[in-house]
Amino acid sequence: AQSVAQPEDQVNVAEGNPLTVKCTYSVSGNPYLFWYVQYPNRGLQFLLKYITGDNLVKGSYGFEAEFNKSQTSFHLKKPSALVSDSALYFCAVSGINDYKLSFGAGTTVTVRA
Amino acid sequence: DGGITQSPKYLFRKEGQNVTLSCEQNLNHDAMYWYRQDPGQGLRLIYYSQIVNDFQKGDIAEGYSVSREKKESFPLTVTSAQKNPTAFYLCASESLGGENIQYFGAGTRLSVL
Repeated sequence: AQSVAQPEDQVNVAEGNPLTVKCTYSVSGNPYLFWYVQYPNRGLQFLLKYITGDNLVKGSYGFEAEFNKSQTSFHLKKPSALVSDSALYFCAVSGINDYKLSFGAGTTVTVRA
Repeated sequence: DGGITQSPKYLFRKEGQNVTLSCEQNLNHDAMYWYRQDPGQGLRLIYYSQIVNDFQKGDIAEGYSVSREKKESFPLTVTSAQKNPTAFYLCASESLGGENIQYFGAGTRLSVL
């Protein structure tokens, strides 16, 4: 069975500071990894994915994530956070031959001005 | 949220009543998914369909039913057997063998009267 853990329910940072949202995963074989963002009462918006290749993945709105196979992690990062980055962030995983996504419980990011 | 339309945005269910949530996509995607979102639990898969006239149960299918008569449509019925239906329901679609990205609708919030 595949699973995702997001160890922090909440992350609080000041605007302009680096932002990191943590994610670890468990899956048989090589993983497909994803980050989504959700604003209140809205659907999920795709940010970035790792399928294969370079371990550092760049995505939308200045976000990036680093795939670390030995630590089974896929942490989301942004060098300089904005107040508008305040939202709920989800990490998700699927196996190569399985289209089903398993989501983490989500991390609420609050960026204070 | 573009390309995937969920309706209604808000829905209220009376005791013993079945209700149907609509999901339509104009992206020509093969696969469609229904998720349930509860606070602090992330997204849980209810049903999914990879082809017309075929669908599979997800992790929490009890008390729900679906149909896939057309490629663009995947309605979800919350039956009276679902004793705790209050949640935010999200529909997603994906082009199989393509980007490997699920795109989400804006969601339907279901409450019990």
